[in-house]
Amino acid sequence: AQTVTQSQPEMSVQEAETVTLSCTYDTSESNYYLFWYKQPPSRQMILVIRQEAYKQQNATENRFSVNFQKAAKSFSLKISDSQLGDTAMYFCASLNTGGFKTIFGAGTRLFVKA
Amino acid sequence: EAGVAQSPRYKIIEKRQSVAFWCNPISGHATLYWYQQILGQGPKLLIQFQNNGVVDDSQLPKDRFSAERLKGVDSTLKIQPAKLEDSAVYLCASSLPTGGYGYTFGSGTRLTVV
Repeated sequence: AQTVTQSQPEMSVQEAETVTLSCTYDTSESNYYLFWYKQPPSRQMILVIRQEAYKQQNATENRFSVNFQKAAKSFSLKISDSQLGDTAMYFCASLNTGGFKTIFGAGTRLFVKA
Repeated sequence: EAGVAQSPRYKIIEKRQSVAFWCNPISGHATLYWYQQILGQGPKLLIQFQNNGVVDDSQLPKDRFSAERLKGVDSTLKIQPAKLEDSAVYLCASSLPTGGYGYTFGSGTRLTVV
């Protein structure tokens, strides 16, 4: 079975500081993708960053980076220099290449405080 | 490029009534998804189309929900009759065939069943 678990329902961080959101997943596939999506209040969900499981190098997109630990099935998101606009729900998701079905975690609500 | 278009943005109906949602994906995206997002939860896949064929509808409550994708482009999702527990945001997303580069989401339709 394909599952995604986000154990932090809510987090907060001071503006300009760094925060890490946790995610663990389970899959029986050897080839898969992992994603972090951001859903701002009352706005549409957008892709933040993606990781291909066969690549060992951690993905980075500007202030966003991941720590991908394949053996531990862990995929955390680090946001550096947090900005007020980072306030949102963040969803971790996995996609098995064989099933073409993306499974989402329950989400972590992040508040960035001024 | 234009994003994923969804309408309406909001809908309030009484239980046992019917409702329909419309989605227009990004041009060239062969795969289209309908997700249900209940407040405080992650999105749950209802149905996935590849062109105009159904790839996965295992979690679609077929006794009341139906969906179609006309000519492999636009899609409609219908609920008839609606129940109180159908209150949710209905998200449409589209992607390239395998989904490995992530999804582009529409703004969603917030359905309230009273």
